[in-house]
Amino acid sequence: EDQVTQSPEALRLQEGESSSLNCSYTVSGLRGLFWYRQDPGKGPEFLFTLYSAGEEKEKERLKATLTKKESFLHITAPKPEDSATYLCAVHHTGNQFYFGTGTSLTVIP
Amino acid sequence: DTGVSQDPRHKITKRGQNVTFRCDPISEHNRLYWYRQTLGQGPEFLTYFQNEAQLEKSRLLSDRFSAERPKGSFSTLEIQRTEQGDSAMYLCASSRTSNTGELFFGEGSRLTVL
Repeated sequence: EDQVTQSPEALRLQEGESSSLNCSYTVSGLRGLFWYRQDPGKGPEFLFTLYSAGEEKEKERLKATLTKKESFLHITAPKPEDSATYLCAVHHTGNQFYFGTGTSLTVIP
Repeated sequence: DTGVSQDPRHKITKRGQNVTFRCDPISEHNRLYWYRQTLGQGPEFLTYFQNEAQLEKSRLLSDRFSAERPKGSFSTLEIQRTEQGDSAMYLCASSRTSNTGELFFGEGSRLTVL
């Protein structure tokens, strides 16, 4: 069965303490892997699309990477405003996007 | 760009009542999605439209749920005979046909069934 698994479920970092979030997937025929940010009570906000192993995308303090079985979202020197839930989603056959359960990130000043 | 708008933002209803949510996508977007999200979970796919055609439905979607997108513009999601298990955030997203990756989400409609 196709699965998207994110770890850890929750992560607390001190401001400036870099770390990585993981998204592992077992879907066949991957057409894309996506990272979203979701603030409480809001809809997810698109961050990155990755299409092939070895691809990397960067935006401010965030960098997303992709291998054949997982993706990492690296957060460098995070700030309190980076606190949010980060969701990973995969797109394979059809037009459905399957989301993981997310990693809740808290950055402490 | 006015973004995706959803109405109402919050709905409290009694079990057994019918509810309807509306989604207005970004105007040039052909694709429209409905997702459901419960606390601590990621969004769960419900259904997808390309223009006015409903092309995919989750097999988890019971027959109490129905969605329409007349004229390929706004969409409605109706839940009949609501149950307490229907309590969730209902998210709408839209995208351009040529862009398979970037979904623009609305802020969601939160349903509470008492």
